[in-house]
Amino acid sequence: GDSVTQMEGPVTLSEEAFLTINCTYTATGYPSLFWYVQYPGEGLQLLLKATKADDKGSNKGFEATYRKETTSFHLEKGSVQVSDSAVYFCALSSNTGFQKLVFGTGTRLLVSP
Amino acid sequence: DTEVTQTPKHLVMGMTNKKSLKCEQHMGHRAMYWYKQKAKKPPELMFVYSYEKLSINESVPSRFSPECPNSSLLNLHLHALQPEDSALYLCASSQEGGRGGNEKLFFGSGTQLSVL
Repeated sequence: GDSVTQMEGPVTLSEEAFLTINCTYTATGYPSLFWYVQYPGEGLQLLLKATKADDKGSNKGFEATYRKETTSFHLEKGSVQVSDSAVYFCALSSNTGFQKLVFGTGTRLLVSP
Repeated sequence: DTEVTQTPKHLVMGMTNKKSLKCEQHMGHRAMYWYKQKAKKPPELMFVYSYEKLSINESVPSRFSPECPNSSLLNLHLHALQPEDSALYLCASSQEGGRGGNEKLFFGSGTQLSVL
């Protein structure tokens, strides 16, 4: 079945450092790919998405590129802030049938001043 | 209004109790979802309603009973739960009815359920 693998956390960075969170996937066909973020005590919020190969999703300084050849969707940000501390989930959804998000295990990001 | 509202925020129940979780959205979305999230784990899909019809049931035990009374409301009725059912229950909605795979889901903050 479809699956998503994320790097283990926590990822601990100082403010203004560069962030990469790795995500790879296994899926039949060509899924849509997503990054969701969960702040403490809250639900998930869509951060960005990409629906086909070579698409780049971007939002709030974060970006990720849909790489079909490496089945990857790594999340990057050039300069993190303390307010970016949260859990980041990579997810996929098949483009057929009903929306069924399959999430990775999540990566906790801790940014210190 | 771009919110999905879930009540209650916290719920403690015994194994013989009957309780309900409620979810509401006023964005005109046509698909609504229940997810279950155990501590430090990713959310797992339980149910999908599309245009008020149950479209996906991910083999969820019958002690969980979803209901969609109208396009804005989604309930999850709970009966005879087990301690291992303790989790954060997340409701979500999406605009187009949940087909096609690339819709943005809007999540509520969840109900933290503890079963004693």
